[in-house]
Amino acid sequence: AQSVTQLDSQVPVFEEAPVELRCNYSSSVSVYLFWYVQYPNQGLQLLLKYLSGSTLVESINGFEAEFNKSQTSFHLRKPSVHISDTAEYFCAVSNSHGTNAGKSTFGDGTTLTVKP
Amino acid sequence: DAGVTQSPTHLIKTRGQHVTLRCSPISGHKSVSWYQQVLGQGPQFIFQYYEKEERGRGNFPDRFSARQFPNYSSELNVNALLLGDSALYLCASSLGQASLTEAFFGQGTRLTVV
Repeated sequence: AQSVTQLDSQVPVFEEAPVELRCNYSSSVSVYLFWYVQYPNQGLQLLLKYLSGSTLVESINGFEAEFNKSQTSFHLRKPSVHISDTAEYFCAVSNSHGTNAGKSTFGDGTTLTVKP
Repeated sequence: DAGVTQSPTHLIKTRGQHVTLRCSPISGHKSVSWYQQVLGQGPQFIFQYYEKEERGRGNFPDRFSARQFPNYSSELNVNALLLGDSALYLCASSLGQASLTEAFFGQGTRLTVV
């Protein structure tokens, strides 16, 4: 069984400040890890993913996340946030192989609010 | 190039009724996954179809069913609707069976059960 815990339901931060959104997971098999962003009344957009290789992954808009296998974490960070980063962020895992490769689990989300 | 399209965008149904939601994946994508997102929660995995066969199922009652057609579009059916079925239903398409690795989500169908 898989589970994902996003440790903060809401994160308020001022513009240009750094931010970290925390995600822990549990799984009995190897997994892929993802961060998605959801703007109001829209579907989910993939922000970044870890499949294999370097444990530090980056997105095109300045976000990065680091896979830590020993701590089973995949925290999302950005050194300087913008007003436009205000959104709901979801951490997700899926099995990397096997009969349940198509099954995925999402956390309950973290609302990031960037204030001027 | 069209993205993932879902229809309808909104609908209102009465308890006990049946509903059919539709999803057209990105051209060339063979996998469609369905998720239920209740307000204030993350998406919950319902089904995945790949090459027209069910490849994954979440913890949902048998009132929920789905199918994938030869053109890879998909329908999600829910029978005997309950108030708790009110949610945003999301469809995601991907090339391969590992549903999230290259997944693109549609805008969703907002279902309200009254």
